Amino acid sequence: AQTVTQSQPEMSVQEAETVTLSCTYDTSESDYYLFWYKQPPSRQMILVIRQEAYKQQNATENRFSVNFQKAAKSFSLKISDSQLGDAAMYFCAYKALRRPGNTPLVFGKGTRLSVIA
Amino acid sequence: EPEVTQTPSHQVTQMGQEVILRCVPISNHLYFYWYRQILGQKVEFLVSFYNNEISEKSEIFDDQFSVERPDGSNFTLKIRSTKLEDSAMYFCASTGEETQYFGPGTRLLVL
Repeated sequence: AQTVTQSQPEMSVQEAETVTLSCTYDTSESDYYLFWYKQPPSRQMILVIRQEAYKQQNATENRFSVNFQKAAKSFSLKISDSQLGDAAMYFCAYKALRRPGNTPLVFGKGTRLSVIA
Repeated sequence: EPEVTQTPSHQVTQMGQEVILRCVPISNHLYFYWYRQILGQKVEFLVSFYNNEISEKSEIFDDQFSVERPDGSNFTLKIRSTKLEDSAMYFCASTGEETQYFGPGTRLLVL
């Protein structure tokens, strides 16, 4: 079974600085997707960024970017120019690619990010 | 922008009572999911639904749980006889391709 590990239960960053959240996963599949979701205190799950395993180029979304190392099964999230609104729980998630059909997400335990003004 | 909606936002119930959690997925999506998050823990998959039937379920999804798509828009999760340990946030999600979009969740408290 696939597993997702987030080894940093908590992280903190100064406002305007850069922070990197770590995620590793275990799978025997060659095709899959990886995601980062943000969960603010409201507990809504908000998609931050997505990476397709077959793409070598790292995904970016404005201030958010990933470092995807397929051989190492590593998928870290970098937040640049951190803002107070970035404070939240961040979950890394894995999704196998299955044709036909669809598969559920497997989540890590999350990293709580605090942003210090 | 289309979004997944869930009702109610909060539900308090007595142990042993039945609850129904409702979700309206994004209209052109075909796959629907329920996840659960016990306070302070990670998000766990319960069940996925496609073409009016369950396509996959986890060990958590036992006989106390059922899902249904009673009409063209709603997707429901029923817990027949709630237990204290069912207290959690329940998220509905839907997808058309690979990215799952989550609703705001229903916070269920079983007393």
